[in-house]
Amino acid sequence: DSGVTQTPKHLITATGQRVTLRCSPRSGDLSVYWYQQSLDQGLQFLIQYYNGEERAKGNILERFSAQQFPDLHSELNLSSLELGDSALYFCASSAEGGAGTDTQYFGPGTRLTVL
Amino acid sequence: LAKTTQPISMDSYEGQEVNITCSHNNIATNDYITWYQQFPSQGPRFIIQGYKTKVTNEVASLFIPADRKSSTLSLPRVSLSDTAVYYCLVGNASGGSYIPTFGRGTSLIVHP
Repeated sequence: DSGVTQTPKHLITATGQRVTLRCSPRSGDLSVYWYQQSLDQGLQFLIQYYNGEERAKGNILERFSAQQFPDLHSELNLSSLELGDSALYFCASSAEGGAGTDTQYFGPGTRLTVL
Repeated sequence: LAKTTQPISMDSYEGQEVNITCSHNNIATNDYITWYQQFPSQGPRFIIQGYKTKVTNEVASLFIPADRKSSTLSLPRVSLSDTAVYYCLVGNASGGSYIPTFGRGTSLIVHP
């Protein structure tokens, strides 16, 4: 158990809909990262927040947005969903601000299925 | 940003030593090398990190030659439970907009 929690575990929705994925980092960790993993794309970094502020941005679509709240939990919002958005979405946390030496602790993931 | 190259897949047998090499030809002076392990439908898990020469922990060893253009993750006496995808990442300790690049990793299959 990494100490990172993600909800829900599974999500099934229809094209065009909007969903929110939630992540609680390990106690004391200030950074939260979001990743998308699909069969054809591998593990793709989406975005990182550090202590409430956006710190780094990867290949995140404009239809996707995220935020980190004062209690440090984070939410990833996915809108206008398409079939291709079906994937595993992982959240990770680290103690520091997102340097290349930070150890990331990953949650169990949310499996999103868009029908 | 240093790009990494790993073999797509490897096969081994229980009890053997497995070495997975990662190439990072344009690694920067301040960059460290970090390896993660991922089991199916689970998030990746940190294995080991190093800067140069050799690092060893209870799970693996990491060998980094003097030019640091590659690194080798060594798993001693693998078991079936070591079947997983292994990722090599490169990055430095400065804060700011570090982009973690996991890529597709190396899929290791351990046979009985």
